[in-house]
Amino acid sequence: DAGITQSPRHKVTETGTPVTLRCHQTENHRYMYWYRQDPGHGLRLIHYSYGVKDTDKGEVSDGYSVSRSKTEDFLLTLESATSSQTSVYFCAISEPGQVLYEQYFGPGTRLTVT
Amino acid sequence: RKEVEQDPGPFNVPEGATVAFNCTYSNSASQSFFWYRQDCRKEPKLLMSVYSSGNEDGRFTAQLNRASQYISLLIRDSKLSDSATYLCVVSAETSYDKVIFGPGTSLSVIP
Repeated sequence: DAGITQSPRHKVTETGTPVTLRCHQTENHRYMYWYRQDPGHGLRLIHYSYGVKDTDKGEVSDGYSVSRSKTEDFLLTLESATSSQTSVYFCAISEPGQVLYEQYFGPGTRLTVT
Repeated sequence: RKEVEQDPGPFNVPEGATVAFNCTYSNSASQSFFWYRQDCRKEPKLLMSVYSSGNEDGRFTAQLNRASQYISLLIRDSKLSDSATYLCVVSAETSYDKVIFGPGTSLSVIP
């Protein structure tokens, strides 16, 4: 299995509070991604990074920000959590140069916003 | 039309059966194709990449039809451990670094 960890694995927080989720990889892959998974929607891309300090928005980026100061860490921040951000969040990595850009996923973080 | 569509599930099949999943995609410029499996409350895991000529990995066979924008996954001799949700994944336009996930098809293999 790819060396990807996510922390925390579970979190319950209140509406309006800031929340930061961390993704850590030991594979030295250049690309990192944050997805959310909700029933009826499948996996949707929030933000992704193609290198240190290089990030871009995905299809559901509103209300989220990211940072990547080191190759191995990609942080997802909910500045002011809302109930609609209750979801399972997955981090993924991939490496350019591999023809098909296969992505490998972390174990996920279950976030509940009350 | 959704970018990636899959057969509605669930599929309930007996052990030893052969089952096929279909997936259609809307963007003719997509270049990369994958099947992932996801167990309940777990992360998606790459099952196999799909190559233009089709490819096989043990009991699993993937086919790509670019003209019809169609991908398939065939599972032979189903095992109880094959029970999972199967996700069809397609690259976004010509951007290799982003992909679009289908909603998934649930498979239950019954003893």
